[in-house]
Amino acid sequence: QVQLQESGPGLVKPSETLSLTCAVSGYSISSGYYWGWIRQPPGKGLEWIGSIYHSGSTYYNPSLKSRVTISVDTSKNQFSLKLSSVTAADTAVYYCASPTMTDAFDIWGQGTMVTVSS
Amino acid sequence: EIVMTQSPATLSVSPGERATLSCRASQSVSSNLAWYQQKPGQAPRLLIYGASTRATGIPARFSGSGSGTEFTLTISSLQSEDFAVYYCQQYNNWPTFGPGTKVDIK
Repeated sequence: QVQLQESGPGLVKPSETLSLTCAVSGYSISSGYYWGWIRQPPGKGLEWIGSIYHSGSTYYNPSLKSRVTISVDTSKNQFSLKLSSVTAADTAVYYCASPTMTDAFDIWGQGTMVTVSS
Repeated sequence: EIVMTQSPATLSVSPGERATLSCRASQSVSSNLAWYQQKPGQAPRLLIYGASTRATGIPARFSGSGSGTEFTLTISSLQSEDFAVYYCQQYNNWPTFGPGTKVDIK
């Protein structure tokens, strides 16, 4: 069974770059599927940030595209998110997720809270 | 961008009653629509995909219907564990989520 686990700093300073990693277990990331990042500001709804296919192709939310980079490290079986020039508006729980057995996000990590503050 | 809307924002229901949640897309998403349940402090859980197919392990009291721009999630007889926030999400284009419907105890 595929499992996802996010990791990274819980506090990031304004204007800096937020960096998170999602470790994948139970499946080889290079074998298929696509792997995504979704965030949820406190008390608010869900926002898709972007996804990366096993081939390396990336797709980003147009509203965040200029600041987002998603990459895959097949040697570590993980994928990563970088969000540059963060502000308080980027404070959120960040989830990694993937459609594995369906076309929707059927596997989610537990989420990691990231606060942007000086 | 395909904008998703959900109604009502809050639905107050008694245990054992039926709950009907609505989701609308700003343009057709065919049947590329999913429903998620989220409880406080937890990640969303996939309930329905393809507008009407239950995900693995989801009880039969959850059902989805619709296509195009209008969708419905029905919970036939609410159990205590069903009180949560429900989100719809389209994946016909780059994914977008609705704002959610909170189902609370009447």
